[in-house]
Amino acid sequence: DAKTTQPTSMDCAEGRAANLPCNHSTISGNEYVYWYRQIHSQGPQYIIHGLKNNETNEMASLIITEDRKSSTLILPHATLRDTAVYYCIVREVGQGAQKLVFGQGTRLTINP
Amino acid sequence: DTAVSQTPKYLVTQMGNDKSIKCEQNLGHDTMYWYKQDSKKFLKIMFSYNNKELIINETVPNRFSPKSPDKAHLNLHINSLELGDSAVYFCASSQGRGREDSYEQYFGPGTRLTVT
Repeated sequence: DAKTTQPTSMDCAEGRAANLPCNHSTISGNEYVYWYRQIHSQGPQYIIHGLKNNETNEMASLIITEDRKSSTLILPHATLRDTAVYYCIVREVGQGAQKLVFGQGTRLTINP
Repeated sequence: DTAVSQTPKYLVTQMGNDKSIKCEQNLGHDTMYWYKQDSKKFLKIMFSYNNKELIINETVPNRFSPKSPDKAHLNLHINSLELGDSAVYFCASSQGRGREDSYEQYFGPGTRLTVT
């Protein structure tokens, strides 16, 4: 699976949009981009995933660049409960088992 | 109802003991996983089972043995516990056969194991 690079930490004001970047310059054509988060002392939580097109669900939006070498997770109206470590993961589908390789992630702090 | 549950939530034991952690999912998923999160907070996969068949077995000491009595349960047994086994262990599950799908994984709350 391709490696990802994320900033170690970020801050965002409550109510503002939180934009979390991820670089995956070695991504290949059949690899998806996944985002998970881990709130303190809890299990990781799935947020969203995508292949080529931008995706949106009730939690967030995922913007993938045209060359697919980077993506941005957007939390449109961040709340204090969104404080967590956010993981960007690139995973190949179609070969091998479904293994998630977690990096260090971005520690997002939402400030009141 | 909790989707993925683990017991116990906390486990404190001495070196050399044998212990088990249990995991159950009520989502009807076919695939289950064990992950380990160490003190540096890195999450690493250990094992994965699909319909009771072992499909992922990372470089894990033989002292760790997963057991899947049915597709809703995946237990982790650890023999001769060592100090370095102290970590938080997470169970997860997902749909599908785990090979050709993009389904998300659902994680349990974790079991914090402390070996003294």
